[in-house]
Amino acid sequence: ILNVEQSPQSLHVQEGDSTNFTCSFPSSNFYALHWYRWEAAKSPEALFVMTLNGDEKKKGRISATLNTKEGYSYLYIKGSQPEDSATYLCALWASGTYKYIFGTGTRLKVLA
Amino acid sequence: DSGVTQTPKHLITATGQRVTLRCSPRSGDLSVYWYQQSLDQGLQFLIQYYNGEERAKGNILERFSAQQFPDLHSELNLSSLELGDSALYFCASSPQGGLGTEAFFGQGTRLTVV
Repeated sequence: ILNVEQSPQSLHVQEGDSTNFTCSFPSSNFYALHWYRWEAAKSPEALFVMTLNGDEKKKGRISATLNTKEGYSYLYIKGSQPEDSATYLCALWASGTYKYIFGTGTRLKVLA
Repeated sequence: DSGVTQTPKHLITATGQRVTLRCSPRSGDLSVYWYQQSLDQGLQFLIQYYNGEERAKGNILERFSAQQFPDLHSELNLSSLELGDSALYFCASSPQGGLGTEAFFGQGTRLTVV
């Protein structure tokens, strides 16, 4: 059974705060990792595609890092804004299979 | 709009019944995935198809089955429905072989079993 774990489950921050979440996965099963943003009443949309150990990706105020050897990825949001409120999902492409497994997500609420 | 279309958007049915959920992938995408999201749960991987063939299977119940047709649309069949099957069912697609590529999600079908 492949477990992709995310922490924390939920998070409330004040507007302007910076925050980060963690995605943990079995390092032996790594092929690729993706981060998604899932807004209420919408469907998940991909933020980052990460494939190499040490990868760092950035899109505006949001960035992500990847450590495949220890099996984790961090997502950072700098200067959180109310429009950043969403559930952030990570998804693991497991090597040796075609299974695409999602974590349970981190629900972020940014308070104005 | 992701380009992935799911129908119907909402479905209400009784226990013991059978329903079919339909998914049309993005134009050109060969891989289709099905996920189930129950209340307060994450996206549970059910099954993946590539170009008409089953490629990976997750926690899909025996009462559930799926297929991908030659025109690449996919259907998820849920039978002998139970109250616990009430959930949001998502379909996603990705290009070509899919491995390592991001998925594009439909808007989901909300199934309510009463």
